[in-house]
Amino acid sequence: SAVISQKPSRDICQRGTSLTIQCQVDSQVTMMFWYRQQPGQSLTLIATANQGSEATYESGFVIDKFPISRPNLTFSTLTVSNMSPEDSSIYLCSVDSSGYEQYFGPGTRLTVT
Amino acid sequence: DQQVKQNSPSLSVQEGRISILNCDYTNSMFDYFLWYKKYPAEGPTFLISISSIKDKNEDGRFTVFLNKSAKHLSLHIVPSQPGDSAVYFCAASATGGTSYGKLTFGQGTILTVHP
Repeated sequence: SAVISQKPSRDICQRGTSLTIQCQVDSQVTMMFWYRQQPGQSLTLIATANQGSEATYESGFVIDKFPISRPNLTFSTLTVSNMSPEDSSIYLCSVDSSGYEQYFGPGTRLTVT
Repeated sequence: DQQVKQNSPSLSVQEGRISILNCDYTNSMFDYFLWYKKYPAEGPTFLISISSIKDKNEDGRFTVFLNKSAKHLSLHIVPSQPGDSAVYFCAASATGGTSYGKLTFGQGTILTVHP
């Protein structure tokens, strides 16, 4: 399975600011995914990021709020823009495998005050 | 709407006994199912999966059963060990068409295995 790292591991931010989360994979992958886990909730897919194309966003998530970059096959970023306390969550990136399984990074714990 | 449901928020079992975690789904397009384990401050770790063409898949202490007619799957852990204590998430995927790669997760079940 791929080894996935995320930066930062956690952050405390003020409302109205933006945070960019980085996801690095140790091998080339086709698809990268960004999920959010709000406190006490399940994981919810934000968007799918394929290299060389625009990210595909799920219902309820928009590019202005969560812009994503995918400059190459091993790296992606997710920005949480104009943050509010409701954005306090764990943000996770994942990658697809040779099958249908996905492998997840350790997550970024974001607290917005 | 919650397309994947884990109705038991928590489960407590004794070491050495069987742990059974349950999951129900509503979307008939789901054809691939996965279980993940998550420790605090870590990302989910893939455990085991099953395709809809099967009704059972086994990997060591972990067995997943799928009942398509009931839209129900379960994860059996035998024997349970204290290190199995974690949150377990059920996930489902519709592998065809535009939904390829998208995982829909249940709410999770907290498993506690007592020594």
